[in-house]
Amino acid sequence: DAMVIQNPRYQVTQFGKPVTLSCSQTLNHNVMYWYQQKSSQAPKLLFHYYDKDFNNEADTPDNFQSRRPNTSFCFLDIRSPGLGDAAMYLCATSTGASGANVLTFGAGSRLTVL
Amino acid sequence: GQNIDQPTEMTATEGAIVQINCTYQTSGFNGLFWYQQHAGEAPTFLSYNVLDGLEEKGRFSSFLSRSKGYSYLLLKELQMKDSASYLCAAMDSNYQLIWGAGTKLIIKP
Repeated sequence: DAMVIQNPRYQVTQFGKPVTLSCSQTLNHNVMYWYQQKSSQAPKLLFHYYDKDFNNEADTPDNFQSRRPNTSFCFLDIRSPGLGDAAMYLCATSTGASGANVLTFGAGSRLTVL
Repeated sequence: GQNIDQPTEMTATEGAIVQINCTYQTSGFNGLFWYQQHAGEAPTFLSYNVLDGLEEKGRFSSFLSRSKGYSYLLLKELQMKDSASYLCAAMDSNYQLIWGAGTKLIIKP
């Protein structure tokens, strides 16, 4: 089945210790997104790629970086996690077509910072 | 600014009908989405409205009024598995999604 796969599902790190979260897709979608979602809050877009074009949201901290080495994979790097970065990180993909641009989400990576 | 408002929490009874409302303010408008999110899981797509009116899809229906900046999700014949958060998201003129914080729906037997 075509899908979006995130690894790891659960990540525990220490304050300041770098973390990398990965996302892969078999949908061949042009656009890949990284969202941060805290409990009972709206998903917050961190950045997205349209093919290789990187789009960073204005309020995304510099502590968050991303890489998309090819169409199928995208990575989220958190260089120095703080306690406030504990959240669910959601990867999503879409075709990027205008109109009904439906997002397909991965199962998420839940980050705990000790 | 751009904004989505939806109730924080609602409670309903198994077998009943519930309507979850959403109001939006966006710079331009290119459609309104509803997603379902079970606790600890990723959102899954439910519906998309871009024209005024009611779209029915099985037990779930979604309504849009562009002039009022208003949408609702109607869930019929509620089942326990419908207990989840329901996220409303509007797409602005730049095709960016503006998300609501979600409505947590609690279903009681």
